[in-house]
Amino acid sequence: LAKTTQPISMDSYEGQEVNITCSHNNIATNDYITWYQQFPSQGPRFIIQGYKTKVTNEVASLFIPADRKSSTLSLPRVSLSDTAVYYCLVGDIGNQGGKLIFGQGTELSVKP
Amino acid sequence: GAVVSQHPSRVICKSGTSVKIECRSLDFQATTMFWYRQFPKKSLMLMATSNEGSKATYEQGVEKDKFLINHASLTLSTLTVTSAHPEDSSFYICSATREYEQYFGPGTRLTVT
Repeated sequence: LAKTTQPISMDSYEGQEVNITCSHNNIATNDYITWYQQFPSQGPRFIIQGYKTKVTNEVASLFIPADRKSSTLSLPRVSLSDTAVYYCLVGDIGNQGGKLIFGQGTELSVKP
Repeated sequence: GAVVSQHPSRVICKSGTSVKIECRSLDFQATTMFWYRQFPKKSLMLMATSNEGSKATYEQGVEKDKFLINHASLTLSTLTVTSAHPEDSSFYICSATREYEQYFGPGTRLTVT
């Protein structure tokens, strides 16, 4: 399973766009990139998943360059409620039955 | 979206006793479930993979005789912490995979006194 590296923490203000970059230099051909959000004392919540290029849903966008050695989670116009820990994970869910190894995550603090 | 529940949400037990935590997939069948533990301000640590109808697969360093896992049906996996000690106090989270997406339960806060 590819190891991921993210910034330990980030600060932002309400209404700003936040971009969190994750490095995964050893990503394998069959690995997908998945981002989760976790609030204190809650289980992680799925945000977005992608394999290459760009993926967008109602809450975020995921940018993946051609070499797939990194990815960037983009949160448009954050609010105070986006204060949480964000985890980037890579893995071949199909062959590993969904086994995911969590890295340290990025603690995002959104200020008024 | 798919829902995974855990019961209880929090439990306090005395040192030396055993406690069981249930993980259920409410609207889908899960042949594979996972158990994690999380200490304060730390990331999730995968403990074991729970396979329906077979023995669980434990990660390196996790005592299988202390953390008993049973996956009796396609919607239920249980984690039993045997002879609990204060150092077992933690946040335990389960997850289940459906169609390449992993859904997490809300977690169980275990406090051993």
